[in-house]
Amino acid sequence: DAMVIQNPRYQVTQFGKPVTLSCSQTLNHNVMYWYQQKSSQAPKLLFHYYDKDFNNEADTPDNFQSRRPNTSFCFLDIRSPGLGDAAMYLCATSTSGSSYNEQFFGPGTRLTVL
Amino acid sequence: GNSVTQMEGPVTLSEEAFLTINCTYTATGYPSLFWYVQYPGEGLQLLLKATKADDKGSNKGFEATYRKETTSFHLEKGSVQVSDSAVYFCALNDYGQNFVFGPGTRLSVLP
Repeated sequence: DAMVIQNPRYQVTQFGKPVTLSCSQTLNHNVMYWYQQKSSQAPKLLFHYYDKDFNNEADTPDNFQSRRPNTSFCFLDIRSPGLGDAAMYLCATSTSGSSYNEQFFGPGTRLTVL
Repeated sequence: GNSVTQMEGPVTLSEEAFLTINCTYTATGYPSLFWYVQYPGEGLQLLLKATKADDKGSNKGFEATYRKETTSFHLEKGSVQVSDSAVYFCALNDYGQNFVFGPGTRLSVLP
């Protein structure tokens, strides 16, 4: 089945220690998103890629970076995690060009910062 | 800017009760509207959608009708089950790439 895969599902890191979360998709969608979600609040968009074009939300901290080496993969790098960065991180994909298109979400990676 | 408002939760119902979760939106254009469901520890799953006024989305016994005149997209189900316990998010897409999500409504269904 076509899907969005996130690894790992659970990640523990130490305060200040860089961490990378990964996302892959078999849907061949050209848009990929990273969201941060805390305590079943609404997901907060961090950034998205439209093909290779990177789009950063204005309030996304510089501590968060992203890479998309090809259509299928996208990475979220947190350079110096703080306690406030503990959250669920959701990857999503969609096709572009229409408001009709839904986003497809992965299962999420829950990040714990010690 | 665009926004989505949902009824405050949590909502607690007994099994087989009727469910309504209210959702209203503000948008500058003609958005598509969505309901997503999130089970504990999981990502969001699309429950249903509607892309134009008066469209009704339906799935797994859930329904929602796109009401342009009242800018609403209320979620309903005639008889809830314990397995429907989750957080429900209303969302819109007003063209292009970015969604706007509501704050979510937690539903608990008791046996």
